Amino acid sequence: DIVLTQSPGTLSLSPGERATLSCRASQSVSKNYLAWYQQKPGQAPRLLIYDVSSRATGIPDRFSGSGSGTDFTLTISRLEPEDFAVYYCQQFGSSPRTFGPGTKVDIK
Amino acid sequence: QVQLQESGPGLVKPSETLSLTCSVSGASISSNYWTWIRQPPGKGLEWIGYINYRGITNYNPSLKSRVTMSVDTSKNQFSLQVTSVTAADTATYYCARGGNSHDSWGQGTLVTVSS
Repeated sequence: DIVLTQSPGTLSLSPGERATLSCRASQSVSKNYLAWYQQKPGQAPRLLIYDVSSRATGIPDRFSGSGSGTDFTLTISRLEPEDFAVYYCQQFGSSPRTFGPGTKVDIK
Repeated sequence: QVQLQESGPGLVKPSETLSLTCSVSGASISSNYWTWIRQPPGKGLEWIGYINYRGITNYNPSLKSRVTMSVDTSKNQFSLQVTSVTAADTATYYCARGGNSHDSWGQGTLVTVSS
């Protein structure tokens, strides 16, 4: 199984600041099949990014994804109040699909 | 707009079978793969597996011996069964569209395993 490690565990930032979240895979993710999700308390996850850098429908352009192989990054250029949440990466290049443990972005 | 809705018992006794159904509206179940994912309280996401309209499945090996998925195209629904449940199966269970990334999710249903 591909193990995904996310860092940091918690990121404390202020609105307007830039957030950089890391996702590292235990082996190369096939075809760069990596996605990012946002989850708020009591809600289902929401797809933000798929295929490393493609924004899902309706996702604002302050969210961007990059990386390849085993190292991936989600960047939120300027945090809005609604962006404080938990973010998960997921690889779907091989089975079983796996998720990272999440990074919580909270208000400083 | 695609909508998914999970349904099923919220409480299951240990050693019994957990059964959930996901009803899909706004899209044909024949058009995609459909996935089950679960999340224990306060923890991260675990992929359970997926199915397509032909009944082709792919299960997480960690659960494979206890999981069965099925599809009912006439009702535009797909289902999950997990046998011999224990407290470790207590989680919010989500159904989602797609066999790779998931652009539509149900709201989730909490299933508690307890006597």
